[in-house]
Amino acid sequence: ETGVTQSPTHLIKTRGQQVTLRCSSQSGHNTVSWYQQALGQGPQFIFQYYREEENGRGNFPPRFSGLQFPNYSSELNVNALELDDSALYLCACSLGLDSEAFFGQGTRLTVV
Amino acid sequence: GIQVEQSPPDLILQEGANSTLRCNFSDSVNNLQWFHQNPWGQLINLFYIPSGTKQNGRLSATTVATERYSLLYISSSQTTDSGVYFCAVAPTDKLIFGTGTRLQVFP
Repeated sequence: ETGVTQSPTHLIKTRGQQVTLRCSSQSGHNTVSWYQQALGQGPQFIFQYYREEENGRGNFPPRFSGLQFPNYSSELNVNALELDDSALYLCACSLGLDSEAFFGQGTRLTVV
Repeated sequence: GIQVEQSPPDLILQEGANSTLRCNFSDSVNNLQWFHQNPWGQLINLFYIPSGTKQNGRLSATTVATERYSLLYISSSQTTDSGVYFCAVAPTDKLIFGTGTRLQVFP
């Protein structure tokens, strides 16, 4: 039990649609990062939020966007879905920068 | 950017055997973590080990930060140890994952 919860666990969307994935953690986890894991690969960093501000972004296009709320929960939004966006999306939370990160169970997104 | 290489890429063991997984990284890091990813995709924390040695039951890990590598030891392996093991490093405050080691343990 990591204390990090993601929803939904599975999702099927059509190419061109928009999707919102959610992540919540136990109190105090003020840093949240999102990762995309394609089949057979390691997770790739999308972006990070620290105390509601974006604190770094990986090599992903602007149609990947996010939010962190005052209670430190977070959303990942993806617009204009493409087939290659099909992947496992993982959320990681920590008690500040450079601290141990704990992952949620992931959301498996399929784009058809 | 920093490169993270794990070896071996695949490992097949019989139950009870010991193994060593290696993680090499190309630059200094503030953080290093080892994870076990189960078949359902959950990343399970094994060790938070930027330097030094830690042990947790049958598992132990050593990170030599000055030489830019970390080792994960699994002793008396069990079938439940099967899965993918990832090393992840943080040169700043974002984790960069290696390519993983896929471990299969047979009875």
